[in-house]
Amino acid sequence: AQTVTQSQPEMSVQEAETVTLSCTYDTSENNYYLFWYKQPPSRQMILVIRQEAYKQQNATENRFSVNFQKAAKSFSLKISDSQLGDTAMYFCAFTGAGSYQLTFGKGTKLSVIP
Amino acid sequence: DADVTQTPRNRITKTGKRIMLECSQTKGHDRMYWYRQDPGLGLRLIYYSFDVKDINKGEISDGYSVSRQAQAKFSLSLESAIPNQTALYFCATSDPLDALDTQYFGPGTRLTVL
Repeated sequence: AQTVTQSQPEMSVQEAETVTLSCTYDTSENNYYLFWYKQPPSRQMILVIRQEAYKQQNATENRFSVNFQKAAKSFSLKISDSQLGDTAMYFCAFTGAGSYQLTFGKGTKLSVIP
Repeated sequence: DADVTQTPRNRITKTGKRIMLECSQTKGHDRMYWYRQDPGLGLRLIYYSFDVKDINKGEISDGYSVSRQAQAKFSLSLESAIPNQTALYFCATSDPLDALDTQYFGPGTRLTVL
């Protein structure tokens, strides 16, 4: 079974600074997909970024980028130029290629401080 | 308008009552999912449906049932609600033609069982 671990229950960052959220996973599959979702106080689950395991290039979406280390089974999220609206819970999630099931980590609560 | 909608957004009910949570989507996706979110546990899959005639149990289906009335509608029922079913419930959809099978979430329903 796959597991996803987010080792930082809470983090804070000053506005305009950069922060990195950690995520590690365990799987025996060779092809899979990884995601970061954001859940602001409104509780909506919003897709932030996604990565295919067989792609070497790290995904980037505006101020959000990932550092995908397949051998280390690590998938960290970097938020640059942090904004107050980035305050949210962030969930890392995994799914095997051809699978239906998303496995989520327990989340990291990020607070952006003015 | 939101692509994935859930009704009601909040519900308080009593132990033993039957309750239905509804999900509708305009994304045209074949796949639909129901998750529950508990504090500190992330999201866990209750049921999923790949099309109107294909419904499957997820990780935590006991105490729940579902109905896929149409491609766009997927309902979750609690036949006899109990307090430990108090949680945040999410509906999600995905498109099997999406290489990453990315799941998109509705706004959630907060259910409280007294």
